[in-house]
Amino acid sequence: ETGVTQSPTHLIKTRGQQVTLRCSSQSGHNTVSWYQQALGQGPQFIFQYYREEENGRGNFPPRFSGLQFPNYSSELNVNALELDDSALYLCASSLASGDRDTQYFGPGTRLTVL
Amino acid sequence: SQKIEQNSEALNIQEGKTATLTCNYTNYSPAYLQWYRQDPGRGPVFLLLIRENEKEKRKERLKVTFDTTLKQSLFHITASQPADSATYLCALLNQAGTALIFGKGTTLSVSS
Repeated sequence: ETGVTQSPTHLIKTRGQQVTLRCSSQSGHNTVSWYQQALGQGPQFIFQYYREEENGRGNFPPRFSGLQFPNYSSELNVNALELDDSALYLCASSLASGDRDTQYFGPGTRLTVL
Repeated sequence: SQKIEQNSEALNIQEGKTATLTCNYTNYSPAYLQWYRQDPGRGPVFLLLIRENEKEKRKERLKVTFDTTLKQSLFHITASQPADSATYLCALLNQAGTALIFGKGTTLSVSS
């Protein structure tokens, strides 16, 4: 186990709704990254937070937003859900941004959009 | 943009044999490359990191090679066991140093 936790484990929403996913990073890690993994694909980078600021963003629309809190935990918010947003959402924590560190992944949140 | 490809979607081998997985990348010269294991419904778990100045790295039954001329990494599992059955992902850090770029993964099945 990596020490990274995510909640909830599973979630079912309908198109147009909004969702918030949560992540607690491994103790001592100040950087959190979020990834989306569709079935049969590798994880795709959404964005990264370092010391409560967004520090890099992948090719995702603005309806994907996030927050990092002073204790380094993080939230991923998705507005106006679409069917294609159905995926496993992974949170990964690491020691520092811009440094060559290993990322430690949580178990993920499985989101289904109907 | 950086691209990373894992040539085989699935690999089936018999217990005791060596599994060899391939990862190729283009448009980029990463300082290092990583390999992860992912079990169904779980997050990826870090296995090995190999740097551009390292030709080979080993950890127990795992061996990774990194050829920066061919832009390729090979991942070997020797004396494979059914418990090694999983999806294996290769990943490299993007140029900004903020994100891992993953391949699609290769699903390994080891039969007894």
